[in-house]
Amino acid sequence: EDQVTQSPEALRLQEGESSSLNCSYTVSGLRGLFWYRQDPGKGPEFLFTLYSAGEEKEKERLKATLTKKESFLHITAPKPEDSATYLCASSKLDAGNKLTFGGGTRVLVKP
Amino acid sequence: ETGVTQSPTHLIKTRGQQVTLRCSSQSGHNTVSWYQQALGQGPQFIFQYYREEENGRGNFPPRFSGLQFPNYSSELNVNALELDDSALYLCASALPGGDTQYFGPGTRLTVL
Repeated sequence: EDQVTQSPEALRLQEGESSSLNCSYTVSGLRGLFWYRQDPGKGPEFLFTLYSAGEEKEKERLKATLTKKESFLHITAPKPEDSATYLCASSKLDAGNKLTFGGGTRVLVKP
Repeated sequence: ETGVTQSPTHLIKTRGQQVTLRCSSQSGHNTVSWYQQALGQGPQFIFQYYREEENGRGNFPPRFSGLQFPNYSSELNVNALELDDSALYLCASALPGGDTQYFGPGTRLTVL
C-alpha cells in the first residue's frame, strides 16, 4: 500500500534557526512529489512539485529536494511568517491526480 | 484569475442529515478532486471528476457522492451523516493534463 510519512510531527524554531522537514514515501510508480503549506483553517497552498531523484526547487527561504525514498523541505533562516503546517503528498502513474498525503509537520517559528 | 472557491464556509448538521458542498474550479481547470481532512491529519482523497465522470475514488462509502457540471464546477453530497464526518472538506482543481492541484479554502462541516 502506498504510504507517505512525515517527520517530525511538530517543530519549534527560533527565528533564523534553519531546519529540515522529512517526507518518506513508499509509492510504486511515483509520478510526482508535492509540497504544500497550510495555515490553520485554510486550504493547502501549493509550493513545489518534484519529479525525479536529484531534483531541487527553491522559493524564498524554502528548498525542496528529492531522493528515491525521501523528500526534504529545508527552511533557511525562517521568519515567524513561515509558521504553518507543511504537507507532503505523492501521486502515482496511472492514477490520475490522486494525491496521497502525509500527516504534516507543524512548524512554529518564534521571534 | 479566480482561484478555487467553495461554499459554504462553515456548516453545522445533525447526525442522519444530508449535506451538499459546492466548488467552483479555477479558470481553465477541468479536473476536480475532493478531499476530507480531519483535525490534525493530512487530507484523504474522496474522489475525482474529469469531464463530468468519476475518475477515481478513495476508500469512502457510497453515501459520499459527487457531480461535476459542464462548467467544471462540482458538488459533494454526503447522506446519512455520521459524527465522524466532521472535518474540513477540500476541493482541488487541475489543468488538463496537469499534475499540480490547487486547493480551495475548504468547508468546515460539523456533525452534532
